[in-house]
Amino acid sequence: DGGITQSPKYLFRKEGQNVTLSCEQNLNHDAMYWYRQDPGQGLRLIYYSQIVNDFQKGDIAEGYSVSREKKESFPLTVTSAQKNPTAFYLCASSTARKGKLFFGSGTQLSVL
Amino acid sequence: GESVGLHLPTLSVQEGDNSIINCAYSNSASDYFIWYKQESGKGPQFIIDIRSNMDKRQGQRVTVLLNKTVKHLSLQIAATQPGDSAVYFCAEDNNAGNMLTFGGGTRLMVKP
Repeated sequence: DGGITQSPKYLFRKEGQNVTLSCEQNLNHDAMYWYRQDPGQGLRLIYYSQIVNDFQKGDIAEGYSVSREKKESFPLTVTSAQKNPTAFYLCASSTARKGKLFFGSGTQLSVL
Repeated sequence: GESVGLHLPTLSVQEGDNSIINCAYSNSASDYFIWYKQESGKGPQFIIDIRSNMDKRQGQRVTVLLNKTVKHLSLQIAATQPGDSAVYFCAEDNNAGNMLTFGGGTRLMVKP
């Protein structure tokens, strides 16, 4: 069953701690994305990757890091430098240019 | 930069009525548009898309209209059902890389 899987569903971060959100897709998509969504707000692009071993900053990359070592995986690390990390994080993938995005079910990150 | 926006943050309709959700875009270079539906705590789901060489596209109970003259996009939902209650986002491909720009979203509430 093809799709995009995010884990965990809920994640809690202590002050000063780095946490990593997982995103895996078996759609054979080249491009993957991370978006942040705050309550009642739209989606803001954090990072995206169009090909393995390459990624670019989005609109709000500060305090976040990513890697793209495998085509199917695009983990997002929320570092201690991100002072307001509480949000709903969405991972997405797409085939190529002009392709619609397929989204995972999201990870809700909260600060303890 | 240029962005996609929405006229109505919240729309309340009676079950069985038709719903119209509007979206204004400002980038005349955008040539591909998508509507997504997001239920609470879930990732956005693709509803329907349209390319700029079209002005209307129909799906099952949904119709997207594109008016390039006034840079306006709308989503029409026929015979709105309680299951249609969600936040609806429009997104545009403005030819600035392999990504979409999302609007702020409209919450559709269906009254029984």
